[in-house]
Amino acid sequence: NAGVMQNPRHLVRRRGQEARLRCSPMKGHSHVYWYRQLPEEGLKFMVYLQKENIIDESGMPKERFSAEFPKEGPSILRIQQVVRGDSAAYFCASSPSSKNIQYFGAGTRLSVL
Amino acid sequence: GQQLNQSPQSMFIQEGEDVSMNCTSSSIFNTWLWYKQDPGEGPVLLIALYKAGELTSNGRLTAQFGITRKDSFLNISASIPSDVGIYFCAGQVLNFGNEKLTFGTGTRLTIIP
Repeated sequence: NAGVMQNPRHLVRRRGQEARLRCSPMKGHSHVYWYRQLPEEGLKFMVYLQKENIIDESGMPKERFSAEFPKEGPSILRIQQVVRGDSAAYFCASSPSSKNIQYFGAGTRLSVL
Repeated sequence: GQQLNQSPQSMFIQEGEDVSMNCTSSSIFNTWLWYKQDPGEGPVLLIALYKAGELTSNGRLTAQFGITRKDSFLNISASIPSDVGIYFCAGQVLNFGNEKLTFGTGTRLTIIP
């Protein structure tokens, strides 16, 4: 059973470009969570989605950031018009239900030049 | 967003020594989790705690869920080289719509040859 798959592992963007980060949850998992980690810090919650629905987006910046988890396909975290401060590692986690353990992917490291 | 206070921030120990780290919060959590993160990877779950006062072991690791539900500790006995990494505590409230993990600031463990 494959784990949580994130791609790309590394992403380089210039200021003003768009970044698209993809997350395929573990098989049978319909709950996806996105977290951001700045260097030397812990992970910080961004958004929680359950197939086609956003359940909690309390950690998501109000502008430029959006997330979706369509009926078919991976979850996407989209960052428009990236700025240097968006440089971080972005982790996705999945669980089979809201009450279960969250399992993490290896992350996407975004660098904004 | 909130981050839990984790201490110590870093530890330098010799192989074979025991390790102890703890995590405190200003608010109550219903679940405490301990994760380990290796460089360039996502967090991997070590131990999950679900009840106040619970003491749980996983091999050389032992963790406890504090009685007040505002703290937890992790002990590692007889450390080995593969224990090197960053350890994060995480708390979870687990009410509907509030399933996000709140992470600690991390404890970086280094083993001195």
